[in-house]
Amino acid sequence: NAGVTQTPKFRILKIGQSMTLQCAQDMNHNYMYWYRQDPGMGLKLIYYSVGAGITDKGEVPNGYNVSRSTTEDFPLRLELAAPSQTSVYFCASSYTVGGARGDTQYFGPGTRLTVL
Amino acid sequence: QKEVEQNSGPLSVPEGAIASLNCTYSDRGSQSFFWYRQYSGKSPELIMFIYSNGDKEDGRFTAQLNKASQYVSLLIRDSQPSDSATYLCAVNNDYKLSFGAGTTVTVRA
Repeated sequence: NAGVTQTPKFRILKIGQSMTLQCAQDMNHNYMYWYRQDPGMGLKLIYYSVGAGITDKGEVPNGYNVSRSTTEDFPLRLELAAPSQTSVYFCASSYTVGGARGDTQYFGPGTRLTVL
Repeated sequence: QKEVEQNSGPLSVPEGAIASLNCTYSDRGSQSFFWYRQYSGKSPELIMFIYSNGDKEDGRFTAQLNKASQYVSLLIRDSQPSDSATYLCAVNNDYKLSFGAGTTVTVRA
C-alpha cells in the first residue's frame, strides 16, 4: 500500500513554461485535494475532487487546472508558470471528510516547485 | 471567508514541560477538528481529531474543544525534542478542511 504518491519531488520552471504535477492514491479514496504551502504559511486549497469526473475550485485556483478521469489519479496542471507559483504542492486524499468518524486526509510527500 | 487562526509562535518550551497550542475558527457549522504535525520539509501527519466538546487524550497529547467559544487547543505533556515541529489546526468545512497557518514548537533540551 503506497498511500499517496507525487511526482516529481523537485522541479525548476522558467516563467511561462507549463507542467503537470502527478498525484496517485491506492486507497480507493473518493476525495482528493491539491494544496500549496508557502514558507511559514498554512495550506491553501487549490482544487478538490469528490469523485471521478467531479472537480471544484478551492481558495486559490487561478493559474491551475485539474482533471479526475479515474479514482486513483488527480493531476494538477500549471499553465504559464509565474514566480508567484513558487511553493510546495501537496496532494491529499480521504475516504470522507470530517464528521463523527474523524476521517482525515492523507498527504503525499509534496513537490517543491521553483519558478524563475 | 471561513477562517482558522492559531497563536503565531514560535513557541519554545523546555524538555519535560507542557506545550499549549490554541486555535479559533469562524464557522459555527464546523463539526470536526484536527491537529496535524509537520516536520520541516515533510508532509503533515494527523496526530489528533476531536468532534465533541471537552477533552480527548491520546498518550502525551490532549485536545480540548469548546464549540460555544469556537476554540480548540492541543496540549503536549512531557515535551520531547522529537515534538519540535509545526502544528497545524484544521477544521472541516463541507467536503474540505480549512487550515490555520501553524504554530512552530521548539523543545529545548
